[in-house]
Amino acid sequence: EVQLVESGGGVVRPGGSLRLSCAASGFTFDDYDMSWVRQAPGKGLEWVSNINWNGATIDYADSVKGRFTISRDNAKNSLYLQMSSLRGEDTALYHCVRDLGDEGAVWGKGTTVTVSS
Amino acid sequence: DIVMTQSPLSLPVIPGEPASISCRSSQSLLHSNRYNYLSWYLQKPGQSPHLLIYLGSHRASGVPDRFTGSGSGTDFTLHINRVEAEDVGVYYCMQPLQTPYTFGQGTKLEFK
Repeated sequence: EVQLVESGGGVVRPGGSLRLSCAASGFTFDDYDMSWVRQAPGKGLEWVSNINWNGATIDYADSVKGRFTISRDNAKNSLYLQMSSLRGEDTALYHCVRDLGDEGAVWGKGTTVTVSS
Repeated sequence: DIVMTQSPLSLPVIPGEPASISCRSSQSLLHSNRYNYLSWYLQKPGQSPHLLIYLGSHRASGVPDRFTGSGSGTDFTLHINRVEAEDVGVYYCMQPLQTPYTFGQGTKLEFK
């Protein structure tokens, strides 16, 4: 069974940092591009970042560029999102997504990040 | 950035009746490979989104055939043949043509 399990969320003060992880199983991880998509409480979906299968191509939403860093470790079947200089508007449920927008799209349940003083 | 606009934002339906959701993009989603880069997702209450339609009209694995995606260029429609109880939730269109990937605002389908 294909599974994506996010972890690392929590409560952090403005200006703080967090590292999210996504553990993948049930498929060949390095066959797929991966993404992070977030959903603020009661709001819609916002794409955050993409990384291609080997990490050579990376993109970010303007809202997180320069503050967030996406990475992957194919040997560990894991995706990461290093978040720094966090702001209140970064408060959201963060989903790890395989193959976003394409035939193989699968979403994890997400991990909650709350930025509050 | 490509702006995705859905309508309606709220869709009250009667079980067994058909339903349609429109999605318009601010730029054409038709790639030179002749595929439209438009996906539809459903987020059921309390769950993560799951894929219904990709490349404009291709039904994802396991998706019932009562769901149909159509359209090309900038105008797309998701049609549900006969709405069932399990179809309740928020529907999102999304363009994976170019970054930043963008979603529509979401359409909440609920029973009258």
